[in-house]
Parts: sequence; C-alpha cells; structure tokens
Amino acid sequence: NAGVMQNPRHLVRRRGQEARLRCSPMKGHSHVYWYRQLPEEGLKFMVYLQKENIIDESGMPKERFSAEFPKEGPSILRIQQVVRGDSAAYFCASSPIVGVGPYNEQFFGPGTRLTVL
Amino acid sequence: AQTVTQSQPEMSVQEAETVTLSCTYDTSESDYYLFWYKQPPSRQMILVIRQEAYKQQNATENRFSVNFQKAAKSFSLKISDSQLGDAAMYFCAYRSRTGGGADGLTFGKGTHLIIQP
Repeated sequence: NAGVMQNPRHLVRRRGQEARLRCSPMKGHSHVYWYRQLPEEGLKFMVYLQKENIIDESGMPKERFSAEFPKEGPSILRIQQVVRGDSAAYFCASSPIVGVGPYNEQFFGPGTRLTVL
Repeated sequence: AQTVTQSQPEMSVQEAETVTLSCTYDTSESDYYLFWYKQPPSRQMILVIRQEAYKQQNATENRFSVNFQKAAKSFSLKISDSQLGDAAMYFCAYRSRTGGGADGLTFGKGTHLIIQP
C-alpha cells in the first residue's frame, strides 16, 4: 500500500505567480489534511477535507489560499499571487474513515517545499 | 483553542544514554489524544508514540515511553538507550477527540535532538 504522495517535492515560484500543490492520500483514505511548516516552526493546521467537501478551513488564510478534494483525483492546495512569506514546507496527511479504529491516525506525506523568489 | 508548548529548542545526549523531552499543553477538554512525532532531515513526519487522555497508563513503544500527567497537562517523551538514528526534530501534538477524533493536529514548535557519538 503506497503511502501519502505529494508532488512536486520542490516548487519554485516568483512573486505573483500561482502555486499548485498536489496530494494523493493513501488507498482507502477519504480524509485529507493540509499543514504548513514555516522555518524553525512546528506544523500549523490549515484545512481538513473529505471528498468534495471542506470540513474545517479555520487555519487557512482568508485570501489567496484555497483547497479542494474532488471526487476523482488528488487534493489540491492552491496559492494565488504568491508572496515571499508563503515560502514554507506544505504537508498533506490522510486518514481513514472516521470511526474505523480508535485513533484515526493521520499519515503524512513527504511534503512540498515551496520557495518564492 | 488548544496550545502546545515545547520549552526546549535543543537537547543533546550521549549515545546509549537516556533523554527526556518536555511538552505541556493547554486545553479545556477532558478527552483528547497526544502524540510525539519525529522529523528527521528528510522532513518526513513519523509517528513515534500516542496516548489517549482517558488512559492512565503511560504509553510505551520499545525504547520510547511517555510520562503523561493529565492534571499538570504535561506529556514528556523519554528515549532510552539513545541511538544515532534518533537524531531529529521531535514534535509534540494534540488532537481533540470531539468530532470523532477527526480534527487537525496542534503542534508544538519542536525540540532538536542531537545524539553525541
């Protein structure tokens, strides 16, 4: 069973461009989480999605950031008009259906490191 | 909102010795999960150990054990017989159990563990 996959692993964008980060959850997982890790910081929760639904976006910046998890295909985190402060590592995690197992453990992908020039 | 505090930015230990990493948290909830994650230089987040708040018994996984003090809201990680491969950033994390335990994780800022050969 392949783990959580993220691509690209490294992404370089110039200020004002768009960044698209992809996350393919583990097989059978229907919950996806996105986290951001700024340099020298812990991971900060951004958004929690199920297929075709945003469940909790309390950690998402109000502007320029959006996320989706379509019925088919990977989850996408989209950052429009990137600024230097968006430079960070973005991690995706997936979890099985709530209620299966006591922990609903989140399995993390390897992350995408975004650099904004 | 919950907060997680790791007061030790960096710790150093001799190989084969024992080290304890500190973590405190703040919450008004009575039922939750606590985790320790390891992030080696590869940046992959690896779950080390987990604890359910309602369980009084401290969790143990091989050389890793926790000291969970619910009243003090303390959750420290003890690594016995430290090995060079233990060198990494260690993050303490909290997760609410309301909502079926599907919430995002709240992380501390991490402790950089150095293993001296």
